[in-house]
Amino acid sequence: QVQLVQSGTEVKKPGASVKVSCKASGYSFNAYGISWVRQAPGQGLEWMGWISGYNGKTKDPQKFQGRVTMTTDTSTSTAYMELRSLRSDDTAVYYCARHCSNNCLFGMDVWGQGTTVTVSS
Amino acid sequence: EIVLTQSPGTLSLSPGERATLSCRASQSVSNGYLAWYQQKPGQAPRLLIYGASSRATGIPDRFSGSGSGTDFTLTISRLEPEDSAMYYCQQSDRSPPWTFGQGTKVEIK
Repeated sequence: QVQLVQSGTEVKKPGASVKVSCKASGYSFNAYGISWVRQAPGQGLEWMGWISGYNGKTKDPQKFQGRVTMTTDTSTSTAYMELRSLRSDDTAVYYCARHCSNNCLFGMDVWGQGTTVTVSS
Repeated sequence: EIVLTQSPGTLSLSPGERATLSCRASQSVSNGYLAWYQQKPGQAPRLLIYGASSRATGIPDRFSGSGSGTDFTLTISRLEPEDSAMYYCQQSDRSPPWTFGQGTKVEIK
């Protein structure tokens, strides 16, 4: 079946970096992109960026520019999101989601289980 | 950036009642690139509606979406106890950022 499986819980100190992985299975990885979405405790959903599974092209909001790097490894159908210079307000659950094939009409239709990242000294 | 504003913040209704959730965009969302998601505590979001009005695979027909331009609606025609959740709208218009609304909480009495 189509699924996205994310890496496990992370605890980091302020100023450190975290890299979350998202392994896809059950579909052609290069036919879709992956969006990254985070949710701080008790808060709503925040879109962090998108990467094409076809050519690695990225789109991301200005808020995260310079701190976020999204990459893919097509040989293992895995997407990665690295967040640097972590702060306490980066504490959140981070999700990957399948998003955008040749267009973005179909929404984020498959989600990973989420990766909890806690930033604490 | 397109800002999505959802209302009401909380909806408290009884089983069998109709729920109407609103999502208003600060600019027109082109081609209806508007989706709705359901999220229950401790779970990942689940896609309900895409393209403003098309149900995702496996979604019961009591869920329906409508609207265009700047005004969109999610309707749950006959509430079931399992519909208690947060509901988010999200737009994937031409140019990022692709934003979410702040959410509507649906409570079943």
